[in-house]
Amino acid sequence: SAVISQKPSRDICQRGTSLTIQCQVDSQVTMMFWYRQQPGQSLTLIATANQGSEATYESGFVIDKFPISRPNLTFSTLTVSNMSPEDSSIYLCSVVGIVAKNIQYFGAGTRLSVL
Amino acid sequence: QKEVEQDPGPLSVPEGAIVSLNCTYSNSAFQYFMWYRQYSRKGPELLMYTYSSGNKEDGRFTAQVDKSSKYISLFIRDSQPSDSATYLCAMSAGSNTGKLIFGQGTTLQVKP
Repeated sequence: SAVISQKPSRDICQRGTSLTIQCQVDSQVTMMFWYRQQPGQSLTLIATANQGSEATYESGFVIDKFPISRPNLTFSTLTVSNMSPEDSSIYLCSVVGIVAKNIQYFGAGTRLSVL
Repeated sequence: QKEVEQDPGPLSVPEGAIVSLNCTYSNSAFQYFMWYRQYSRKGPELLMYTYSSGNKEDGRFTAQVDKSSKYISLFIRDSQPSDSATYLCAMSAGSNTGKLIFGQGTTLQVKP
């Protein structure tokens, strides 16, 4: 499986500011995803990060709030914009396996607290 | 109704017990079934992966899929305190989108 590094691992931010989370993979992957995991909840898909084109967002998530970049096959960023306390969550990136394309592997996550 | 239902627990068992974790689902198109383990303050780690119906065993872990009943299970034999974690089931129809649908997760505590 790929090694996935996420930065930062945690942050505490003020209301109204923005935070950019980075996801770096040690090998080229076709698909990268961003998830949100709210306290005590399961994973909710935010968007699929597409290399060289706009991300594909799930219902309830918009580009203005969660802009995503994916400049190449090993790197993606998720920005949480104009944050409010409701954005306090764990944000996770995942990648699809090269051999088994229906398996996803996850980074350690970014724990975000918004005051 | 959610596509995937999983009892959130928490589930507390003594060390050495057999643990049964379960998920039900409604979408008959699901073909790929996964169990992830998530320790506190960590990302989900793939534990078991099964395609279609049947059983798969890996050490103390056995995954079962019953597509006719739309029901999947994870059994943990001889449970250890190190098995204390949240277990998430996930499934996919295998489309090109690569989307996974996750259950809510079951929190397991194994007491020494």
